[in-house]
Amino acid sequence: AQKITQTQPGMFVQEKEAVTLDCTYDTSDQSYGLFWYKQPSSGEMIFLIYQGSYDEQNATEGRYSLNFQKARKSANLVISASQLGDSAMYFCAMREAGPTGTASKLTFGTGTRLQVTL
Amino acid sequence: IAGITQAPTSQILAAGRRMTLRCTQDMRHNAMYWYRQDLGLGLRLIHYSNTAGTTGKGEVPDGYSVSRANTDDFPLTLASAVPSQTSVYFCASKNSKGTEAFFGQGTRLTVV
Repeated sequence: AQKITQTQPGMFVQEKEAVTLDCTYDTSDQSYGLFWYKQPSSGEMIFLIYQGSYDEQNATEGRYSLNFQKARKSANLVISASQLGDSAMYFCAMREAGPTGTASKLTFGTGTRLQVTL
Repeated sequence: IAGITQAPTSQILAAGRRMTLRCTQDMRHNAMYWYRQDLGLGLRLIHYSNTAGTTGKGEVPDGYSVSRANTDDFPLTLASAVPSQTSVYFCASKNSKGTEAFFGQGTRLTVV
């Protein structure tokens, strides 16, 4: 089974509109973390937002918010007031505790390509 | 240096040659990682390090080796490159709380 599933290979959104990028995850750990990254065409991986499994509030960072639904194992990224510069690949990732003595690892989904249009 | 730096940014390498990709961070993060990114496959973990002096295998370790002599540096070595190792390689580090993980700018490697 996939640890991280991003079911939307591509999305379009009009400038100034909000968009939700889906992410579901699979883990048996009680303690884990969820990350979202942006990868523009220039190729770098930009850390956007983090949500811990025990965090009671949904994470927010400027125009980014994370809609965390623990029971459904989903961690969707919401971008409000989209801008042309938001056009990029977006990756969801999960941190799980590794076996004793190992580093906790980040597992990535396959990404969603977002295109913001005028 | 601010953050995490990789070198080189790109490289064309003849098959069979040895190559080391460098990664240095100045955030004093204990955990470091090497990923490769291939179209349609997302990022896959090659090797990781919990702390200086320790390393472990990720999802796709074959053909790669790493070392962690100190906290700051985590080089990735291809002992004898093959065309299937053509990819974009990312180094990353994570803070001790696990709430932030930052990536280097990537190394685009082409093996011909």
